[in-house]
Amino acid sequence: LAKTTQPISMDSYEGQEVNITCSHNNIATNDYITWYQQFPSQGPRFIIQGYKTKVTNEVASLFIPADRKSSTLSLPRVSLSDTAVYYCLTVEFNAGNMLTFGGGTRLMVKP
Amino acid sequence: NAGVMQNPRHLVRRRGQEARLRCSPMKGHSHVYWYRQLPEEGLKFMVYLQKENIIDESGMPKERFSAEFPKEGPSILRIQQVVRGDSAAYFCASSLDRGVDNEQFFGPGTRLTVL
Repeated sequence: LAKTTQPISMDSYEGQEVNITCSHNNIATNDYITWYQQFPSQGPRFIIQGYKTKVTNEVASLFIPADRKSSTLSLPRVSLSDTAVYYCLTVEFNAGNMLTFGGGTRLMVKP
Repeated sequence: NAGVMQNPRHLVRRRGQEARLRCSPMKGHSHVYWYRQLPEEGLKFMVYLQKENIIDESGMPKERFSAEFPKEGPSILRIQQVVRGDSAAYFCASSLDRGVDNEQFFGPGTRLTVL
């Protein structure tokens, strides 16, 4: 069973900032929070990963509050090509790397 | 540096036939994972292999499904006597090592259709 809960879908417009929040109330001490992006007919692609506070890379930012029971993926100034499904996962450090995917959030970016 | 390669990209089988799905991991990667994705759903873990060894097959059906990752050549996911419920996209991923800081790179998937 997926250990995370996230909205089924979201709509946005080009140029806007998109924030997708994920709930993981039962996150374990050794779990990291990881986000993947999947385009139609393609395999998922790693976006960002964090343990606490804030992580930023060239694609997105990840905000994690102190209690770590939720996290927010922030996509700045989205474009049409950001239309995809975004998956929030919790991954145990040094585990066998079995990734548990939930249903994800379908982001639709409109012109 | 080529990414994870899977073939065939599309595979059509009739009920009762066998399906063989191949996965070539990224160069230097010795950890391979297979996932299955049904339409409109997330990926479901099937099996984790590390060169010639099955490490975790907790997500693999007990019957008809098998996986291998030989010393030489690609990893193979084999489905015997396919049924309509096996129709899905099967994704392979590879990583350099195990652990959360070792990113899994996914292939483009094989779409299996069972008639």
